[in-house]
Amino acid sequence: DTEVTQTPKHLVMGMTNKKSLKCEQHMGHRAMYWYKQKAKKPPELMFVYSYEKLSINESVPSRFSPECPNSSLLNLHLHALQPEDSALYLCASSPTYSDEQYFGPGTRLTVT
Amino acid sequence: RKEVEQDPGPFNVPEGATVAFNCTYSNSASQSFFWYRQDCRKEPKLLMSVYSSGNEDGRFTAQLNRASQYISLLIRDSKLSDSATYLCVVNAASGTYKYIFGTGTRLKVLA
Repeated sequence: DTEVTQTPKHLVMGMTNKKSLKCEQHMGHRAMYWYKQKAKKPPELMFVYSYEKLSINESVPSRFSPECPNSSLLNLHLHALQPEDSALYLCASSPTYSDEQYFGPGTRLTVT
Repeated sequence: RKEVEQDPGPFNVPEGATVAFNCTYSNSASQSFFWYRQDCRKEPKLLMSVYSSGNEDGRFTAQLNRASQYISLLIRDSKLSDSATYLCVVNAASGTYKYIFGTGTRLKVLA
């Protein structure tokens, strides 16, 4: 089973709201990723957790706050977002570094 | 020069045709290479990993040329369902969790 699940599928939020995106995998993968993808562009890396520790933050604004409560779960907390943050947010996992990544179906976020 | 470059296409080919995509990468320290396909408004799905010896999965063949720093994907006997964007993905360097995505090549298979 190579499944990564994400909730919610769609999210509409105002600029003053606080919301969270959730990602889960049960493949025993030790690396988990958040990507942002705008239309007709490739995914852009935001954060990487390896062995439940933040190992990469691609200079993401602090209005995005990642959290890895355990080896199967990854959250992305959102606060005071801007309309330009509207995008598809993808979670991925991989066994470890340099391995193939498996993506979840994404959360389509609209900021109004 | 971009770290990973792909021809964005679109490649419009008839059903049954053979089509090939290339992807060049700039970092000679990269060790892992992948092809993903992405359908409109869906997540990327792993198509195949690319090994030094090349690999084949049904109608799909991937090759790696380290000397020239490119990878290729060949699709034989194209089906309508092969219409998608094909993303070339390269790890930034050995031992890193950072992956670099190409911009993707759009393929449309025509009936």
